[in-house]
Amino acid sequence: QLQLQESGPGLVEPSETLSLTCTVSGGSVSSSAYFWAWIRQPPGKGLEWIAAIYFSGTTYYNPSLKSRVAISVDTSKNQFSLKLSSVSAADTALYYCARQGAAAAGRNFDYWGQGTLVTVSS
Amino acid sequence: QSALTQPPSASGSPGQSVTISCTGTSSDVGGYYYVSWYQQHPGKAPKLMIYEVSKRPSGVPDRFSGSKSGNTASLTVSGLQGDDEADYYCVSYAGNNNYVFGTGTKVTVL
Repeated sequence: QLQLQESGPGLVEPSETLSLTCTVSGGSVSSSAYFWAWIRQPPGKGLEWIAAIYFSGTTYYNPSLKSRVAISVDTSKNQFSLKLSSVSAADTALYYCARQGAAAAGRNFDYWGQGTLVTVSS
Repeated sequence: QSALTQPPSASGSPGQSVTISCTGTSSDVGGYYYVSWYQQHPGKAPKLMIYEVSKRPSGVPDRFSGSKSGNTASLTVSGLQGDDEADYYCVSYAGNNNYVFGTGTKVTVL
């Protein structure tokens, strides 16, 4: 059974860089049928797709966040990571990592991590 | 890209049906057959319920069904049960490997 687990600091100071890692078990990030995505949910609000990456390193970003986001993958560790720079209180959210199907796999998010809360505050 | 529009709330009695709409544009919902629906219970991660407009993953009851007409997709939950009480989100592919989520609908079982 595929499992995803987010890890990283729960508190980030304003203007600093948020860094999170997702560790995948029970499957491989090198699968050709899937991308690996980050999605966030501010407290009490809806979900927002942030970015996705393919095992080859090809990246895709939400246009509204593109200038501040970087996603990377480490196939040797079966992990992928997110960096969000110049954070503000508006970036406070529950951050999820998820498996994102490519076209042949339905372009959906079928496995999710449990989420990790990141608070931006001094 | 703007969030897809969903009604904030919907409700029904046990055994009844509830339908949730998800309205986008021709650049997302109307342009692709890649609309999916997610159920989220409080404090839990979202769960995939419908993909490619109307397909159900293994293990999802056939009480859940999806459809699309033009720029609006819909999720119908038939035979409402207590455990169906949750938030529901639609997501649409928006081209260039971008995705847009809906605003979310809270379903209450009366």
